Amino acid sequence: QKEVEQNSGPLSVPEGAIASLNCTYSDRGSQSFFWYRQYSGKSPELIMFIYSNGDKEDGRFTAQLNKASQYVSLLIRDSQPSDSATYLCAGPRRSGNTPLVFGKGTRLSVIA
Amino acid sequence: DTGVSQDPRHKITKRGQNVTFRCDPISEHNRLYWYRQTLGQGPEFLTYFQNEAQLEKSRLLSDRFSAERPKGSFSTLEIQRTEQGDSAMYLCASSLEIRSYEQYFGPGTRLTVT
Repeated sequence: QKEVEQNSGPLSVPEGAIASLNCTYSDRGSQSFFWYRQYSGKSPELIMFIYSNGDKEDGRFTAQLNKASQYVSLLIRDSQPSDSATYLCAGPRRSGNTPLVFGKGTRLSVIA
Repeated sequence: DTGVSQDPRHKITKRGQNVTFRCDPISEHNRLYWYRQTLGQGPEFLTYFQNEAQLEKSRLLSDRFSAERPKGSFSTLEIQRTEQGDSAMYLCASSLEIRSYEQYFGPGTRLTVT
């Protein structure tokens, strides 16, 4: 089974700064990755997905996938206090199999 | 459509009792997943369905756990003879088959076994 690793944090950034969240994975065959945001006491919310090498931008969020180095990252520009949450990285458990394997999550704190 | 719903939101039970949780997926989603999450961990896969067929069960799913999706719509997860180690948030997610990796979670059922 694949493994997804994340630094648990907490990662603290000042309001307006860029927050950079990273994730590494064990399977070189992985093609797809997902970022979920989870507020305390709430369920995970899908915010970004990336299916190919390179960058994908959506508003203030940019997901980056580097297959050669086996890492995926999420950049949050102009961080806001409302971005304070745990960010979970996920990928398919096995090739062609759709349940996800999640990292433990990185807790982000945006300081006003 | 209001998204994935789960019932109950909270359940407190005594060790040894049976509990059953319900999940209603997004209406057009034919895939439904159950995950379990404990404090400080990411969700862990338990089982999933395509329509009414249960396609896979994790090794985490002991014989005390059973899940059904009888008509391909809502699903139930039953835990028999609960143990304190079963205390967790039980999350349901759903997806379209053609976009099966894009899974949308319900609010979860928090189980506390005393």
